[in-house]
Amino acid sequence: NAGVTQTPKFQVLKTGQSMTLQCAQDMNHNSMYWYRQDPGMGLRLIYYSASEGTTDKGEVPNGYNVSRLNKREFSLRLESAAPSQTSVYFCASSEHGQGRIEKLFFGSGTQLSVL
Amino acid sequence: EDKVVQSPLSLVVHEGDTVTLNCSYEVTNFRSLLWYKQEKKAPTFLFMLTSSGIEKKSGRLSSILDKKEPFSILNITATQTGDSAVYLCVGGSQGNLIFGKGTKLSVKP
Repeated sequence: NAGVTQTPKFQVLKTGQSMTLQCAQDMNHNSMYWYRQDPGMGLRLIYYSASEGTTDKGEVPNGYNVSRLNKREFSLRLESAAPSQTSVYFCASSEHGQGRIEKLFFGSGTQLSVL
Repeated sequence: EDKVVQSPLSLVVHEGDTVTLNCSYEVTNFRSLLWYKQEKKAPTFLFMLTSSGIEKKSGRLSSILDKKEPFSILNITATQTGDSAVYLCVGGSQGNLIFGKGTKLSVKP
């Protein structure tokens, strides 16, 4: 039972490069999320998708784009990476979403460094 | 501005000790409070508390919510080295989760 799978686990980019973080869940969850975690700060929501075909901005969406490819997959794209985007990125999913408070299932994270 | 404040930020104890982690929150239209354990990477769910004064327990871990104050505590009794982790407190309102910065717990043998 894989749960939430993120790739890659580590990535180093140069300023201005682009990349896509991949996330897939096998729990048939409706909602998926992308968070970033920085030292000394709580997790902050970048984007979320309440259902297949819909996406919404979270607290810190600037510099990112997302795609909910299907119910299983939710990708995060950095079009032109900046050093301020150096962080640990987590994908998460939840069964319902849509404003419900429910437990999130997290992937193992992607450690991204932008030089 | 909504916020969740955890204390202490870090804590070092010895195996067998009992610890109490604190979480206070200011969340508009508060609905629930959640606790997660983060070891190395992925946070894992511990508890969700919705009603005031009702303790939730799982083995050596327990948690309670006080909506009036408002705050929550997470207790760990007879700590083990495997309890070493960052514990995250999360305040939930409709469609929004506010994460605290976490308490880093280190349990020494």
